[in-house]
Amino acid sequence: QKEVEQDPGPLSVPEGAIVSLNCTYSNSAFQYFMWYRQYSRKGPELLMYTYSSGNKEDGRFTAQVDKSSKYISLFIRDSQPSDSATYLCAMSAEDSNYQLIWGAGTKLIIKP
Amino acid sequence: GAGVSQTPSNKVTEKGKYVELRCDPISGHTALYWYRQSLGQGPEFLIYFQGTGAADDSGLPNDRFFAVRPEGSVSTLKIQRTERGDSAVYLCASSPLLAGGRRNEQFFGPGTRLTVL
Repeated sequence: QKEVEQDPGPLSVPEGAIVSLNCTYSNSAFQYFMWYRQYSRKGPELLMYTYSSGNKEDGRFTAQVDKSSKYISLFIRDSQPSDSATYLCAMSAEDSNYQLIWGAGTKLIIKP
Repeated sequence: GAGVSQTPSNKVTEKGKYVELRCDPISGHTALYWYRQSLGQGPEFLIYFQGTGAADDSGLPNDRFFAVRPEGSVSTLKIQRTERGDSAVYLCASSPLLAGGRRNEQFFGPGTRLTVL
């Protein structure tokens, strides 16, 4: 079993919908949780960065971390066709925080 | 300012050949990372540089892979005797030093797509 599990999708939703993307993990040492967006043939781009449990909001994006359930989520409000991309979660522990452990990514398609 | 740049963007080589992939990090970022990403997978950690030295090379798959960063800026990933299984996108990232010694806010380049025939 992988340390970080993420449904590969694709997830297809109509423009304007609220999107929910999720990852589960097994290592309780993870303290830092990140969401990256990756367009086709591009490098990952950091979207959200959170520490420990709780919520963080940035514009149309909200990241949630539930450490008790080992479950993290990214919500996208008012989704746009330009949000179509692969979304990857990544996480790291306190002592080796530079070493990111990644999910496989969820491909998101926003239909106009 | 400029982001992380990588050259070449694509590299096609034959099995058994030697290749070099270059990474130019964001100016001022002392930490540099190499990852490998296969189709449909997340990036896989290869090596982490702090300054000129490799602080963690535990992700390098075998001794055919080697990376250098002689002046603490540009880095080169070198692969000897390439195999078809080395085909992947090789990503480079850099990060600033954050409060508490954190280095997990990493900024990625576009990657080099390596194809070994």
